[in-house]
Amino acid sequence: ILNVEQSPQSLHVQEGDSTNFTCSFPSSNFYALHWYRWETAKSPEALFVMTLNGDEKKKGRISATLNTKEGYSYLYIKGSQPEDSATYLCAFEETSGSRLTFGEGTQLTVNP
Amino acid sequence: DVKVTQSSRYLVKRTGEKVFLECVQDMDHENMFWYRQDPGLGLRLIYFSYDVKMKEKGDIPEGYSVSREKKERFSLILESASTNQTSMYLCASSGQGLSNQPQHFGDGTRLSIL
Repeated sequence: ILNVEQSPQSLHVQEGDSTNFTCSFPSSNFYALHWYRWETAKSPEALFVMTLNGDEKKKGRISATLNTKEGYSYLYIKGSQPEDSATYLCAFEETSGSRLTFGEGTQLTVNP
Repeated sequence: DVKVTQSSRYLVKRTGEKVFLECVQDMDHENMFWYRQDPGLGLRLIYFSYDVKMKEKGDIPEGYSVSREKKERFSLILESASTNQTSMYLCASSGQGLSNQPQHFGDGTRLSIL
């Protein structure tokens, strides 16, 4: 079983704060790194799929970076809002179209 | 939009029952997956399928089986339900051979085994 780790496990921030969390994954046999947001009572929603070392992707106030050589990705949220409260999952994809191995997630709570 | 539909949001069954969880997707995706999610353990892969009538074991297949008779439908079967199978079950699908394709998830089935 591949080792995909996320830190921290949980995070509480105030509205307006910027925050970031980490996903570490194997640096060998890399194909893609996925980020998902999972809000309570909803289904996980894809944020980014990243494949290139050094890549940076952005969606509104959320961005992600990727370092495949050292095996980590950062997710950043700028100016957190209460609606950003969710569990953020990363997942490692070893070959194209294959199964994903998920980290345990970072649970973010943004207090108004 | 891709739609992945799971047959039940909540389900309560008794120990020893045979339980069927159904999942249907409407995007002609080749790949389908079943996960369970437990507190502190993240999403763990039970079984997956790359094509009709094909199945592959994931990380925790014990006590489960699957059926993929049609491309759009992937069923998870608990042969003889036990209390340690109480969990949130998520189905997902994705396209085959396409780069940068995320998995699309259903809303989940919260299963309680009494």
